[in-house]
Amino acid sequence: QVQLQQSGPGLVKPSQTLSLTCAISGDSVSNNSAAWNWIRQSPSGGLEWLGRTYHRDKWYYAYALSVKGRITIKSDTSKNQFSLELDSVTAEDTAVYYCARDHLEYSSYFDYWGRGSLVTVSS
Amino acid sequence: DIQMTQSPSSLSASVGDRVTITCQASQDIRNYLNWYQQKPGKAPKLLIYDASNMETGVPSRFSGSGSGTDFTFTISNLQAEDIATYYCQQYDNLPFTFGPGTKVEIK
Repeated sequence: QVQLQQSGPGLVKPSQTLSLTCAISGDSVSNNSAAWNWIRQSPSGGLEWLGRTYHRDKWYYAYALSVKGRITIKSDTSKNQFSLELDSVTAEDTAVYYCARDHLEYSSYFDYWGRGSLVTVSS
Repeated sequence: DIQMTQSPSSLSASVGDRVTITCQASQDIRNYLNWYQQKPGKAPKLLIYDASNMETGVPSRFSGSGSGTDFTFTISNLQAEDIATYYCQQYDNLPFTFGPGTKVEIK
């Protein structure tokens, strides 16, 4: 059974960097049939995909244009985890952040999710 | 980006009712459409993938259909535990995008 354990601070000051980590058990961040994603949910309830990383012959990354330039997703094979960094945060980045596995073998869907991390941007 | 719309935004139905939610994509997404259920305080849960395929362990009262731009999600026999918000999500193009959700309540 795949489990995703999220960690990171719940409060970030404006203009600082939001950092979250997603530790994977029951699978490998290097799995060639999966991708590892960050998704957030605003206080109004909308779900927004932020980006993903996956490994094939090398590591690949893809980011939403809405956060491109501010976002970095990293993978750590030694710890079997991946992380999110979002720079220069504002109050609009206040949300619940989820990590999720994208099952990519024949299709694409988010089949395993972390429990979510509420991140509030406030001074 | 591909825009996803859902209707209705909320509905109230009785236990045992048949409930239908529609999802429309702003362009042809073939059958690259998934449905999720989200209960308060929980992460979304995959119910249907590729428009009509049921995820393992999902009760058979949940079903999906459609292709192209128009999709339907149905709960054939609404149960009290189905109270949740339901989201569609396309994966035809990056960025993946979600519909705004349909909140299902019991009458």
